[in-house]
Amino acid sequence: DTAVSQTPKYLVTQMGNDKSIKCEQNLGHDTMYWYKQDSKKFLKIMFSYNNKELIINETVPNRFSPKSPDKAHLNLHINSLELGDSAVYFCASSVPGGYGYTFGSGTRLTVV
Amino acid sequence: GDSVTQMEGPVTLSEEAFLTINCTYTATGYPSLFWYVQYPGEGLQLLLKATKADDKGSNKGFEATYRKETTSFHLEKGSVQVSDSAVYFCALSDTNAGKSTFGDGTTLTVKP
Repeated sequence: DTAVSQTPKYLVTQMGNDKSIKCEQNLGHDTMYWYKQDSKKFLKIMFSYNNKELIINETVPNRFSPKSPDKAHLNLHINSLELGDSAVYFCASSVPGGYGYTFGSGTRLTVV
Repeated sequence: GDSVTQMEGPVTLSEEAFLTINCTYTATGYPSLFWYVQYPGEGLQLLLKATKADDKGSNKGFEATYRKETTSFHLEKGSVQVSDSAVYFCALSDTNAGKSTFGDGTTLTVKP
């Protein structure tokens, strides 16, 4: 299936831990994104990569570090997790030209 | 900067009722406009889009028309079903900015 796939789907961890979320797309898209969705369903862009190059880096704590080893993968590493990091994190990809995004199914991160 | 304002929810309707979710936008250029739907526990899915003024996007009985004069892209459906219960997001994509801007989402609940 052509898709954007994220792993893991659920992640429960303790404060202070370091964790990673992985994203892969097999759509051939050049641009990939990380979005954070809070408990009120608000979506906030965090990062965007175009063909492995960082193009958008919103005001996000530097505990969050994206890595794009190739244009099909965009991973998110989070250091020293805090309670406020609990949210659903979505990966997405797109092509230029106003065709919209394809989203992954999300990773629900719970920090306890 | 670009912004999207959506009708506040939640919206509760009876099955077969008419649905309108209002969306207005502010953008400096000529954006593409989108509606996404998020079913419980899932990622966002592109529902429909319009790339220029007076275009009408449609899918699964939903429609929205790109109105440049009123900077609006209201979502409509003539007869909703219980299965339409979801969160709906209006969004715009400005190719110059390289990212999409999302509204806050409107939760729709359809009761039998």
